[in-house]
Amino acid sequence: NAGVTQTPKFRILKIGQSMTLQCTQDMNHNYMYWYRQDPGMGLKLIYYSVGAGITDKGEVPNGYNVSRSTTEDFPLRLELAAPSQTSVYFCASSWDRPGTGELFFGEGSRLTVL
Amino acid sequence: AQSVTQLDSHVSVSEGTPVLLRCNYSSSYSPSLFWYVQHPNKGLQLLLKYTSAATLVKGINGFEAEFKKSETSFHLTKPSAHMSDAAEYFCVVGGGYNKLIFGAGTRLAVHP
Repeated sequence: NAGVTQTPKFRILKIGQSMTLQCTQDMNHNYMYWYRQDPGMGLKLIYYSVGAGITDKGEVPNGYNVSRSTTEDFPLRLELAAPSQTSVYFCASSWDRPGTGELFFGEGSRLTVL
Repeated sequence: AQSVTQLDSHVSVSEGTPVLLRCNYSSSYSPSLFWYVQHPNKGLQLLLKYTSAATLVKGINGFEAEFKKSETSFHLTKPSAHMSDAAEYFCVVGGGYNKLIFGAGTRLAVHP
């Protein structure tokens, strides 16, 4: 039982490049999330999904896109990378909606945009 | 609207002494409250949660937190710190449907 798996763990991008952060979970959770973590700022929600085929914006969605074609996978796409997207990105999943149940986090993907 | 404030960005204790990490929240209704821990280069892990049952909540690794509605607080405590407790701790409040509000975090250092 691997839990939530994110790849890659580290990536350096040049301004204007694009990339996809991969996230997969093997717990059959309905809810999945992408957060970014900046120093001293806590975690900010980028996008979330309540099930396959359903996604919605969080607090900071600009510059990102997501899709949810299966229960297991929830990739995050960065288009036209900017230095402001330098951050640590966390994927998470939960069985129940976040106000009630536990979130399970991946180990994070550290992205630097130069 | 919901919000959460962690009152200390850094806390330093000696091994074997008590730990107190402070959290105040604001909520227009009865909130759900959580503490998560993040060890270096790892994802966040749930320590404990309050969801309107007992006001004193026990979590993993000897941590506990008390919900005090009159003080709008949810402070995290542990009687005796261990070196392995060194990490960053996040207080989190349920902010409405599908929303969680994370505090800025408190970094706990434990010295021998």
